[in-house]
Amino acid sequence: DAGVIQSPRHEVTEMGQEVTLRCKPISGHDYLFWYRQTMMRGLELLIYFNNNVPIDDSGMPEDRFSAKMPNASFSTLKIQPSEPRDSAVYFCASSLGADGYTFGSGTRLTVV
Amino acid sequence: GESVGLHLPTLSVQEGDNSIINCAYSNSASDYFIWYKQESGKGPQFIIDIRSNMDKRQGQRVTVLLNKTVKHLSLQIAATQPGDSAVYFCAEKTSGSRLTFGEGTQLTVNP
Repeated sequence: DAGVIQSPRHEVTEMGQEVTLRCKPISGHDYLFWYRQTMMRGLELLIYFNNNVPIDDSGMPEDRFSAKMPNASFSTLKIQPSEPRDSAVYFCASSLGADGYTFGSGTRLTVV
Repeated sequence: GESVGLHLPTLSVQEGDNSIINCAYSNSASDYFIWYKQESGKGPQFIIDIRSNMDKRQGQRVTVLLNKTVKHLSLQIAATQPGDSAVYFCAEKTSGSRLTFGEGTQLTVNP
């Protein structure tokens, strides 16, 4: 099993640009989570899906953030337009039955 | 003003000693808890979990203790090794499938 796969590993973009982060969960997992990690706020849940349906997006900071899960093997987190305060490491995690999440290696986003 | 990042609690131990990392959780209704290990540049890695109907669970070199009375969780690592150096997070399932993470503890193992 390849685990949760995220791409890209690193992303540097200019303020105002659109950023798309990608995640492939573990095959057979029915939950998918997007987290953001910063020094200021630690690990924060942004949104999670169950069977491709968004269940809780209360952690999404602003309308500039959106997430989709078009099928069981792919999800995206989009920021449009990006701002310097969005700089963070973004993690995707998946689980079977919402216990014992497996995290990906993360995408380090820098907005300049 | 200047922003200040999180000040992680730190624990420094000698190789071979036992380590105990503590965590206070917030929600008395939480029914599931997990300990994660995060090494620099990597995602959190599952270590061990425990449900609220238990007060102790053991894994390989690790033990998790749960005290629901005082909302306290601890992770014990036996015979700590340099490879155990990392940030350790406790997490609680607070509502639905939402997992809320604590601030983390930096463990440093000295050879």
